[in-house]
Amino acid sequence: GQNIDQPTEMTATEGAIVQINCTYQTSGFNGLFWYQQHAGEAPTFLSYNVLDGLEEKGRFSSFLSRSKGYSYLLLKELQMKDSASYLCAVREANAGKSTFGDGTTLTVKP
Amino acid sequence: ETGVTQTPRHLVMGMTNKKSLKCEQHLGHNAMYWYKQSAKKPLELMFVYSLEERVENNSVPSRFSPECPNSSHLFLHLHTLQPEDSALYLCASSQGITSGTQEQFFGPGTRLTVL
Repeated sequence: GQNIDQPTEMTATEGAIVQINCTYQTSGFNGLFWYQQHAGEAPTFLSYNVLDGLEEKGRFSSFLSRSKGYSYLLLKELQMKDSASYLCAVREANAGKSTFGDGTTLTVKP
Repeated sequence: ETGVTQTPRHLVMGMTNKKSLKCEQHLGHNAMYWYKQSAKKPLELMFVYSLEERVENNSVPSRFSPECPNSSHLFLHLHTLQPEDSALYLCASSQGITSGTQEQFFGPGTRLTVL
């Protein structure tokens, strides 16, 4: 099975940079996903890492270290609309099953 | 219609009722998923279907019964539910379940309340 930890809540200021960490303990690993979920809405895909290193996509970047069981999501130039829950999910080696963390609720303040 | 759609969006049912949730994906994907999202809890995977075959059943009570008649449609049949089953039920699809990114596209969910 999987054990996924991420902070419950974070607060940051508009225009700033925030890093949301995710640590995991797995019996198998086949990729790590980050999703964004606004209140009352469905999760939407942000990024995917399967190899160590940084994946950059506009204002969002995601990093993975498989040896450390660690990932982070980096959000730059924060905007008010970035206030949402950010979900870390690990896909197990047996295809199809992804386990989600509890999510980190990010509040962006003016 | 585009993406993943779910009906109904809201459902209130008694414990003795039988109802069904419907999910349809318009993305040409081969895999579909049911998740349960309760307040203060992480997304819980319930079922995974790949090419209409169930490949994962995550220890879900038998009062939840999935059906996947084809790769575009997924149902969740509900009967004799309990109040603790009240939650947001999310459907998702992905291109497949094997190699590659296989990001999941989620529907808007059905907000279920069991009285």
